[in-house]
Amino acid sequence: KAGVTQTPRYLIKTRGQQVTLSCSPISGHRSVSWYQQTPGQGLQFLFEYFSETQRNKGNFPGRFSGRQFSNSRSEMNVSTLELGDSALYLCASSLGRTQETQYFGPGTRLLVL
Amino acid sequence: GEDVEQSLFLSVREGDSSVINCTYTDSSSTYLYWYKQEPGAGLQLLTYIFSNMDMKQDQRLTVLLNKKDKHLSLRIADTQTGDSAIYFCAELDRDDKIIFGKGTRLHILP
Repeated sequence: KAGVTQTPRYLIKTRGQQVTLSCSPISGHRSVSWYQQTPGQGLQFLFEYFSETQRNKGNFPGRFSGRQFSNSRSEMNVSTLELGDSALYLCASSLGRTQETQYFGPGTRLLVL
Repeated sequence: GEDVEQSLFLSVREGDSSVINCTYTDSSSTYLYWYKQEPGAGLQLLTYIFSNMDMKQDQRLTVLLNKKDKHLSLRIADTQTGDSAIYFCAELDRDDKIIFGKGTRLHILP
């Protein structure tokens, strides 16, 4: 079974731009969660989608949004990028509920200049 | 809000046991996890424990949970160079969100 894939793996943007990251979960998995990882704040939960609905949300500003498609693939979008948005963005998928085993992708490293 | 704390660094000699400690604040946590992150990679779930358990063993890994003190530990027996990584403790909070600690970097000495 293929693992969780994330594209692109690396991205460089400038302040004020917007960015869209993509995550393809493991086949059959319906839950996709997004996390931001920075050296200072560690891993922080962004949001979780299940069957195309946002089921849970972390404490991030409205510039961070996401969606999930009928095939369970998910995208997250960050608008009006700030320098502090530079981070590793990790996506994780699981079969159903969050409590189950989450499988992480390799992440997308975003650098905002 | 909920918080998960763990020490940032641990150095252990190859062949010795590594013990990584973690404390959490949400007494209603139902699941507690240990993840491993190797350089340039995502997180790999090593093991998890239900809050009604005290201990879980899986090959070289032993997880101990002291629910009264909200203390979780991960013991890696016979530590190998391949165990060098960052280990994250995490809890499932009452809102069904996974809260991670900042990670413990395990360094293996020859």
